[in-house]
Amino acid sequence: QSALTQPASVSGSPGQSITISCTGTSSDVGGYNYVSWYQQHPGKAPKLMLYEVNSRPSGVSNRFSGSKSGNTASLTISGLQAEDEADYYCSSYRSSSTPYVFGTGTKVTVL
Amino acid sequence: EVQLVESGGGLVQPGGSLRLSCAASGFTFSGYWMNWVRQTPGKGLEWVANINQYGSEINYADSVRGRFTISRDNAKNSVYLQTNSLRAEDTAVYYCARGGVLHAFDIWGQGTMVTVSS
Repeated sequence: QSALTQPASVSGSPGQSITISCTGTSSDVGGYNYVSWYQQHPGKAPKLMLYEVNSRPSGVSNRFSGSKSGNTASLTISGLQAEDEADYYCSSYRSSSTPYVFGTGTKVTVL
Repeated sequence: EVQLVESGGGLVQPGGSLRLSCAASGFTFSGYWMNWVRQTPGKGLEWVANINQYGSEINYADSVRGRFTISRDNAKNSVYLQTNSLRAEDTAVYYCARGGVLHAFDIWGQGTMVTVSS
């Protein structure tokens, strides 16, 4: 089961906006709006940040937003803050005997 | 407080077995799908298995099918992962995660470490 493709790292200065891409296939990202994003700080469990491409769970900052075009989903963090420095993973439902796939992960660095 | 707490990890020799447990609290456990997700040291996340509210629908990743078994006990608010025929590549932190709305994993435990080594 191939993982979704994410850039290994993205960086930005405080206050800037950054975007992380997540590329899959028509069997996962392109075929369903069931893309979710997770934030993981070192030594901690992942935390759900977005679901259904661009919906935010209660308590997640509106600085986090999502979109999708074709087989690629994106997470945008606006007004970058030091606390946003973490690893980010996308995930998608898929039409497969293995119904879920994660992305390769992106390390976000706040300069 | 909504919470998931995993246990049962440890050091095991190749070919060995471990039973991982995940205890849920703070929500109606019987109303949710439950998942196991693992993370190899310094690497990414891999979905492992899930089970529906009734235990009647189960799915596995290709990498563990035939070796791992997921189960649940709604009376004990717990989900389990029986891991057999363990290999070095199964070494990972194993997380329990609640299946929330629209195929997202909305609550995660703190994880339990499984190390397969001789």
